[in-house]
Amino acid sequence: QSALTQPASVSGSPGQSITISCTGTSSDVGGYNYVSWYQQHPGKAPKLMIYDVSNRPSGVSNRFSGSKSGNTASLTISGLQAEDEADYYCSSYTSSSIRYVFGTGTKVTVL
Amino acid sequence: EVQLVESGGGLVQPGGSLRLSCAASGFTFSSYEMNWVRQAPGKGLEWVSYISSSGSTIYYADSVKGRFTISRDNAKNSLYLQMNSLRAEDTAVYYCARGEMTTVVIGGYWGQGTLVTVSS
Repeated sequence: QSALTQPASVSGSPGQSITISCTGTSSDVGGYNYVSWYQQHPGKAPKLMIYDVSNRPSGVSNRFSGSKSGNTASLTISGLQAEDEADYYCSSYTSSSIRYVFGTGTKVTVL
Repeated sequence: EVQLVESGGGLVQPGGSLRLSCAASGFTFSSYEMNWVRQAPGKGLEWVSYISSSGSTIYYADSVKGRFTISRDNAKNSLYLQMNSLRAEDTAVYYCARGEMTTVVIGGYWGQGTLVTVSS
C-alpha cells in the first residue's frame, strides 16, 4: 500500500487561499468518503482539521474546507494566516489488508 | 477533558523489544477504536496499527506485521504496543490516537508521543 500523494510544499500570502491535493486510488480516497486532514506544528502532535472529506470538528476554523473529486481529495485554507504555517497530512480508510494510509505531507508556508 | 498519555519509549538495541503504553482518561475508553501512529525524525506520519473498541479486530501496517502486537485493557483504560525485533527504521515518535464513534478516522484526539530510538 503506497502513501497518498501530496505536494511537498505550498505557499501563499496572508489573506490568500491555498489548496492542497491528496491523490490516491479507487481503493482508498476514491472508494470511500473517509478522507481526513491533519495539521501538525513542529514538535507537536497532529490535530484533526477535516473528517469525512468535508466535515470540520468542533473548534476548527471555517477557513478550512475539504472536498473530493474521483481519487483526489483537497484541503483549502482561505484567508491564510501566519498560524496556518504547518505541515498538513491527508489520510484515508483503505480496503486493502491494512486499514488506513497517510499522505506524504505538505509544508504550508505563509509568505 | 480527553487525555492520552504515552509512555515506555527509550533507547533499545537492534533486535530488542519494547512495550509502549497509552493511558486514556476523560472518556469511555471501552467505546472507542484506537490507533498507533509513528513519525520518524524529519519524516511524515505513518499509521502503524488499529484495534477495535472490544479488541476483536486488529490491523497492522505491512512494515510492522509479525513484529508488533497491539492490545488494550479496557478495565485499565490502557492501550499497548508490544514491539519486537526492532530495527533502526523503527526509530520514531510513537503517538496513540483515539478514533471517533460516528465515523472512520485515525484520530480525533492524540497523545503527545513517546520517542523510540533503535541504535547500538
